[in-house]
Amino acid sequence: QQQVKQSPQSLIVQKGGISIINCAYENTAFDYFPWYQQFPGKGPALLIAIRPDVSEKKEGRFTISFNKSAKQFSLHIMDSQPGDSATYFCAALTSGTYKYIFGTGTRLKVLA
Amino acid sequence: DAMVIQNPRYQVTQFGKPVTLSCSQTLNHNVMYWYQQKSSQAPKLLFHYYDKDFNNEADTPDNFQSRRPNTSFCFLDIRSPGLGDAAMYLCATSRDFNTQYFGPGTRLTVL
Repeated sequence: QQQVKQSPQSLIVQKGGISIINCAYENTAFDYFPWYQQFPGKGPALLIAIRPDVSEKKEGRFTISFNKSAKQFSLHIMDSQPGDSATYFCAALTSGTYKYIFGTGTRLKVLA
Repeated sequence: DAMVIQNPRYQVTQFGKPVTLSCSQTLNHNVMYWYQQKSSQAPKLLFHYYDKDFNNEADTPDNFQSRRPNTSFCFLDIRSPGLGDAAMYLCATSRDFNTQYFGPGTRLTVL
């Protein structure tokens, strides 16, 4: 119930392509879904986040798609660049609680 | 710029030798968290402070302690580091239980 399942574990994309990372959850009490980007040796940085009252949120090349009925959300990176090569974590939170439930992470490599 | 700062960035200690990691923040957030992250894994929450109230996760070993002397600073003490404690330690902050902002982390090596 408390898990967030993230896929794929790793992803290789050509420069200019679209990177898609998926997450699925069971707990319908989750109402905040952030994505974090982490470079090697650095802390996770908030990339983009969504609440379930919208189905899509876009910030630059990064888009979250949210499907409330399917309990799934995904990160799309358009025009992927080598500088996007990092590990991406999805997470879920219930408002008023403190504990992020993290996905297992996706290691993205964008080939030049 | 408002931020979360961790010192040192790299720490080497010997097996069993106590070590203290520090975190400071200029975001004026009232909640501070400590996470442990091992290679290729998601961050694992150790404990958090909501204002001055300390909250320990049930599975956090007794070997790990924390102090928060004021709003801006938080410390992680590892009383007797073992080889299994080698990891990245991440500090994060939030305003109440909203978005968490992470520091750059401290990489701990145990010899």
